Order: sequence, then C-alpha cells, then structure tokens
Amino acid sequence: DTEVTQTPKHLVMGMTNKKSLKCEQHMGHRAMYWYKQKAKKPPELMFVYSYEKLSINESVPSRFSPECPNSSLLNLHLHALQPEDSALYLCASSQVRGTYEQYFGPGTRLTVT
Amino acid sequence: QQQVKQSPQSLIVQKGGISIINCAYENTAFDYFPWYQQFPGKGPALLIAIRPDVSEKKEGRFTISFNKSAKQFSLHIMDSQPGDSATYFCAASMSGGAQKLVFGQGTRLTINP
Repeated sequence: DTEVTQTPKHLVMGMTNKKSLKCEQHMGHRAMYWYKQKAKKPPELMFVYSYEKLSINESVPSRFSPECPNSSLLNLHLHALQPEDSALYLCASSQVRGTYEQYFGPGTRLTVT
Repeated sequence: QQQVKQSPQSLIVQKGGISIINCAYENTAFDYFPWYQQFPGKGPALLIAIRPDVSEKKEGRFTISFNKSAKQFSLHIMDSQPGDSATYFCAASMSGGAQKLVFGQGTRLTINP
C-alpha cells in the first residue's frame, strides 16, 4: 500500500482565519514533506520532516506552520494567509534510507478569499 | 546547477504512437531520477524511476533512457493511449537522508484518439 491521505480535499478560508491541513501515511516512512503547487507549475518544496524533526524549511513565510506529532501524521497550520497562497497543497512521504521513492497524497485545494 | 530542464512543454501524439519527453540536469551529485504523472486536481503519482548505474529501465509501456555522460534522461511511452493524457514531471535528487526533489517544469501530454 502506497497511500498518503490528506484532509480536507478543499478548503476556503478568509485572510483572518486559522485552519489546518492534515496528512497521514501508514507505510512506515520516516520522512514527510509539504509541497505547494500552483496551476501549470511543478510542486515546490516547503518543509521536510525527518524522524519527526524539521530538517528543511525552504524559507517559507511564518504564516505557514508545520507540525509532525508522530511518524504517521503531518499537519500544516495556516494563519493570516494571502490570496496568492491559494494553491494545491501536497503532502508526500518516503523512506529516509534505502529506496527513495516519494509518494504524494491527493492534495488539498486551498482558496484564500 | 540545481535545475532540471524539461522539454517539450506540451506534446500531442496520436493514439498508438510513441510519446517522448526529455530532461537534462547539471548537478552530477544527483543519483535518483523519477518520473511523475499528474492528472488535473490530483497529486503526482510515481510512474517509474532510474539510478545512474543503468542506462534503461522498462515497466510496461513506460521506459526511461538514461545518458550519464550527457546528463540527460528521457521518458518513452509506447502505444500511447488517451488515458495517458496528463502532465508529466521529471525530477532528480541526491541520496542520503530525506531528499529534496528538484522537478522539471512539466510536459502536458495529449493523446488524440
């Protein structure tokens, strides 16, 4: 099973709202990733967690706050977003050693009004 | 040097034909080269991947050709079908720890029936 699940599928939020995106995998992967994808563009890496510790932050604005509560779960907390943050937010996971396949979830389509 | 250049941006192929998408990279430290297929509104799905120690890898109708000296790799889709119509991304990464995938810009493939 190579499934990564994400909730919600769609999210509409105002610029003053606080919301969270959730991601879950049960493949025993110890690396988890958040990507942002705009229309007709490739995924753009935001954060990487390795063994539940933040290992890469690609200079993402502080209005995006990641959290990895355990090895299966990854959250992205959103606060005071801008309309230009509207995008497809993708979660992915992989092994840390050995094979390097990264498996993506279906994404959360976020619209900021 | 971190870039992966992908061409063409869009491609139209007749049903039953061969679709060919090309990628080039500069960073010789890259040692893992996956291809992803993405349908509209969905997350990228890992299609096939190759490492530099082999020159070709085939899975069903999908083949990756790899030229280490030219720092190029390509995806061939044999007997292309309308269901193959999607956006394809090549990517590259380095082994060791939770790795950052560097994506090409994507190719929108349309298979005409």
